[in-house]
Amino acid sequence: NAGVTQTPKFQVLKTGQSMTLQCAQDMNHEYMSWYRQDPGMGLRLIHYSVGAGITDQGEVPNGYNVSRSTTEDFPLRLLSAAPSQTSVYFCASSYSDRPAERIFGSGTRLTVV
Amino acid sequence: AQSVTQPDIHITVSEGASLELRCNYSYGATPYLFWYVQSPGQGLQLLLKYFSGDTLVQGIKGFEAEFKRSQSSFNLRKPSVHWSDAAEYFCAVLPNTGKLIFGQGTTLQVKP
Repeated sequence: NAGVTQTPKFQVLKTGQSMTLQCAQDMNHEYMSWYRQDPGMGLRLIHYSVGAGITDQGEVPNGYNVSRSTTEDFPLRLLSAAPSQTSVYFCASSYSDRPAERIFGSGTRLTVV
Repeated sequence: AQSVTQPDIHITVSEGASLELRCNYSYGATPYLFWYVQSPGQGLQLLLKYFSGDTLVQGIKGFEAEFKRSQSSFNLRKPSVHWSDAAEYFCAVLPNTGKLIFGQGTTLQVKP
């Protein structure tokens, strides 16, 4: 099934641990992005990429790293997890950063204790 | 700075009643506008979008939205709500930066 696949669906980390949230799409989309969703705050953009080898920061990039070595994959890395990073993370892709529907994955629920 | 405001955090309507969810945006030029729906534990699904042309746009699941430039609004409507419409709804604006900006969301509860 074509779409955006996120793994894992759930994760519990201890403060200071590192991990990578995976995101893959099979629609040949150039544009990919990561959002975090927190109650009462909607979704906020963390990082985005307009194509392989190109990434840029969004609204809340601190504490997160990304890379885009292929068109299909856009992993999000937490280098040293903090309780403030407890959230639900969504990956989205679209064929362009301009007027185009973003297709969202089903999310990763991360808890940092 | 661009922003999106959804004034109603939580709305409760009876099944079969009409629904209107409000959305106001702040952006200097004509924006590209979206409504997404999120069912519990799920990702976001696009309901409808406005890029240009007719200001009344039709979406999936019987939803429609009207773009009103003079009011900087893009309100979502449905004439008759079904229990399965209970979800969280997000309005979003896409400025020319290419960075999609979301409102805070409105949670819809449907009473039997």
